[in-house]
Amino acid sequence: KAGVTQTPRYLIKTRGQQVTLSCSPISGHRSVSWYQQTPGQGLQFLFEYFSETQRNKGNFPGRFSGRQFSNSRSEMNVSTLELGDSALYLCASSFIGGFTEAFFGQGTRLTVV
Amino acid sequence: DAKTTQPPSMDCAEGRAANLPCNHSTISGNEYVYWYRQIHSQGPQYIIHGLKNNETNEMASLIITEDRKSSTLILPQASLRDTAVYYCIVRPDTGTASKLTFGTGTRLQVTL
Repeated sequence: KAGVTQTPRYLIKTRGQQVTLSCSPISGHRSVSWYQQTPGQGLQFLFEYFSETQRNKGNFPGRFSGRQFSNSRSEMNVSTLELGDSALYLCASSFIGGFTEAFFGQGTRLTVV
Repeated sequence: DAKTTQPPSMDCAEGRAANLPCNHSTISGNEYVYWYRQIHSQGPQYIIHGLKNNETNEMASLIITEDRKSSTLILPQASLRDTAVYYCIVRPDTGTASKLTFGTGTRLQVTL
């Protein structure tokens, strides 16, 4: 079956702009979690969506937001970009109902200049 | 979530077993031990998880001590493709990737 798909793979934005990243989970998976990875901070949890509702949230400013659609696809948005937002953004999808492993996508590498 | 301690780096010869240790002395009774790995510039990949019994799958074996304060991930025959950062995580089993706390992990270098 198809894996987790993140688009775009690479993105360059300038400070002050906003950006939207997309994540299509594995078919049948209803939970989507987002992570930010930087060399300094490592992998950090942003938020999780399940059934179009945010279920958990990490410790990030309100400039970081997300949503989930009825088909479980998810988007995250970062407004007023800062240089420090340059990172690899990863999403992971999971099936709810007993443990199955979480599958991560390849990520979107965002560079803010 | 309980904190884990892993060595920052390890080397292993190709074809030999790689044994990656993890200390989690403050683990709670309902927390599982998970292992993920991340090959350069890719998303993390689930390897294995366990509660208190040893576990084995097609990728690796997980040995958890009787007091559950430490564990070892074993790659039975390491290959060059196993070069990656390995993360040990302890947390309750929620069945999702929500709120995984990745530490700094162990960078495993497999060499010829």
